[in-house]
Amino acid sequence: ETGVTQSPTHLIKTRGQQVTLRCSSQSGHNTVSWYQQALGQGPQFIFQYYREEENGRGNFPPRFSGLQFPNYSSELNVNALELDDSALYLCASSARLGGTDTQYFGPGTRLTVL
Amino acid sequence: DAKTTQPNSMESNEEEPVHLPCNHSTISGTDYIHWYRQLPSQGPEYVIHGLTSNVNNRMASLAIAEDRKSSTLILHRATLRDAAVYYCILRDVRAQKLVFGQGTRLTINP
Repeated sequence: ETGVTQSPTHLIKTRGQQVTLRCSSQSGHNTVSWYQQALGQGPQFIFQYYREEENGRGNFPPRFSGLQFPNYSSELNVNALELDDSALYLCASSARLGGTDTQYFGPGTRLTVL
Repeated sequence: DAKTTQPNSMESNEEEPVHLPCNHSTISGTDYIHWYRQLPSQGPEYVIHGLTSNVNNRMASLAIAEDRKSSTLILHRATLRDAAVYYCILRDVRAQKLVFGQGTRLTINP
């Protein structure tokens, strides 16, 4: 069984640029969630996609957007990058397990904004 | 989101049991208790979850207090690989997101 994969592993961008991060879900999972983790902090929820529709959003501005594709893979797009966007971006796919779903995380993409 | 309180850090020795506490006095009846851990330079990893009864799996055990206001994650025999940040998370059955706090940084001494 293939786990959650993310690409690229590392990325360096400059302020004002746009970036696209990619995530492939674990086999059989139809829900993808994205999180941002600043250095020394716990991950913060950005949004979730279920069957290609946004299914919940955290406290992030509209310049953070996403897509989910028919094969349940997903993209996170960030426009007009700011220095504070430097973080580890985590993708998690979900499957229901005993009444609540369990999220399985990828290794993350480390984004540095200069 | 209901809040959890965990110690910032804990230390234990290899091959000994580890008990990681979590307080959640404002837990509601529909909140599941989830534990994740994050090893250095990796994404969080699911450990275990429960609602009311104690739970066991191949990684750990979860002991839930009778009033559900606290819980304890038990690693029965710690290895160096168990050194990580452990997050205790309350999650409503209908919620999409996981709300991570600061977690407990567990150090394992050889």
